[in-house]
Amino acid sequence: DVKVTQSSRYLVKRTGEKVFLECVQDMDHENMFWYRQDPGLGLRLIYFSYDVKMKEKGDIPEGYSVSREKKERFSLILESASTNQTSMYLCASSLPTERDEQYFGPGTRLTVT
Amino acid sequence: AQTVTQSQPEMSVQEAETVTLSCTYDTSESNYYLFWYKQPPSRQMILVIRQEAYKQQNATENRFSVNFQKAAKSFSLKISDSQLGDTAMYFCAFSVDYKLSFGAGTTVTVRA
Repeated sequence: DVKVTQSSRYLVKRTGEKVFLECVQDMDHENMFWYRQDPGLGLRLIYFSYDVKMKEKGDIPEGYSVSREKKERFSLILESASTNQTSMYLCASSLPTERDEQYFGPGTRLTVT
Repeated sequence: AQTVTQSQPEMSVQEAETVTLSCTYDTSESNYYLFWYKQPPSRQMILVIRQEAYKQQNATENRFSVNFQKAAKSFSLKISDSQLGDTAMYFCAFSVDYKLSFGAGTTVTVRA
């Protein structure tokens, strides 16, 4: 079974802090994704990576950056956390074909106070 | 840009009955994939069913089936013989260039 894990289920940070969210997948997937999930808005893509050190902006990249130094690990970075970044963050991975499903991690609920 | 609309925020269904979730999308692409994902309470999102736009035949996975109307850009999900374990939020999603665009979700509650 594909396993996608995220470093924390719950996280509380203060405004202005630098925040790292880590995601690891164990199925050698080329593609990895970061989404944020908000009520009434569904999931919105923040960043996408299709290979090591490669990244592409999604629909809402402002205030975020990413790092992919190894194939299995994809990190989301909030350089200076703000209260409007309080959300559920979901990581996903997939094979590099259009028809293949994305496998999701359990999510990290981030609260910025 | 692709948009996905789920017009039903919440639905409730009696166990063993059928419920249909609606989804419409907007795109200028001719070839794409559509998915329904399920997110149970406090559990990970999983794929329910997928449909390839170039296939006219509607996809079916056990009790889950879709009604895909390409011209109308409609992709509804039917859950037959609903079970308590079907209680979840359901997301319709559209894939182009490996990236998914999601609808806002429909919360389905199955009543015993």
